[in-house]
Amino acid sequence: GAGVSQTPSNKVTEKGKYVELRCDPISGHTALYWYRQSLGQGPEFLIYFQGTGAADDSGLPNDRFFAVRPEGSVSTLKIQRTERGDSAVYLCASSLNEGSTDTQYFGPGTRLTVL
Amino acid sequence: KQEVTQIPAALSVPEGENLVLNCSFTDSAIYNLQWFRQDPGKGLTSLLLIQSSQREQTSGRLNASLDKSSGRSTLYIAASQPGDSATYLCAVNDYKLSFGAGTTVTVRA
Repeated sequence: GAGVSQTPSNKVTEKGKYVELRCDPISGHTALYWYRQSLGQGPEFLIYFQGTGAADDSGLPNDRFFAVRPEGSVSTLKIQRTERGDSAVYLCASSLNEGSTDTQYFGPGTRLTVL
Repeated sequence: KQEVTQIPAALSVPEGENLVLNCSFTDSAIYNLQWFRQDPGKGLTSLLLIQSSQREQTSGRLNASLDKSSGRSTLYIAASQPGDSATYLCAVNDYKLSFGAGTTVTVRA
């Protein structure tokens, strides 16, 4: 079946602009995660959803970052007033069960470049 | 906070040699540990998942061991091939993943 998909694959924006990044998890997966990967580093956790609610948003760097998952499937990561330091690859992952330690399946990522 | 370290950062071997990749973590209260492969400009592909109660997991030429008490995991890749060239990441799971920075492997033909 289809894997995790993310759109757009690349996003170039100017400093100060607003961006939205979309994640479509594997059908039937109830847990959804966002991570951010900077060049030469491993991914860093941002936020975890159980169904529609954010169970853990402790990795969001500041209040410019916000994520939603209104119907328990697709999620959108929103970044306000973008800064050059936000440039990174944003990865989304899903797993079958909520609050579990099942294998997480990753999407291809969105490469965000803030000029 | 969980800290995950991978050594070495890069590795270059001739085709046919066995690969040994190391991962260490600071907090042994984990549910499982996953090894991933990442090709340049691509997402992460899960290779192996070892539950905290297991000592090792095998898939084809890949074998991963886990020693929770010492905070270590090792990924072995037997008889390396040029197609194994990629970055390998380990991640410990306490429902969210904490990743190491990865080991970039080059297998020379």
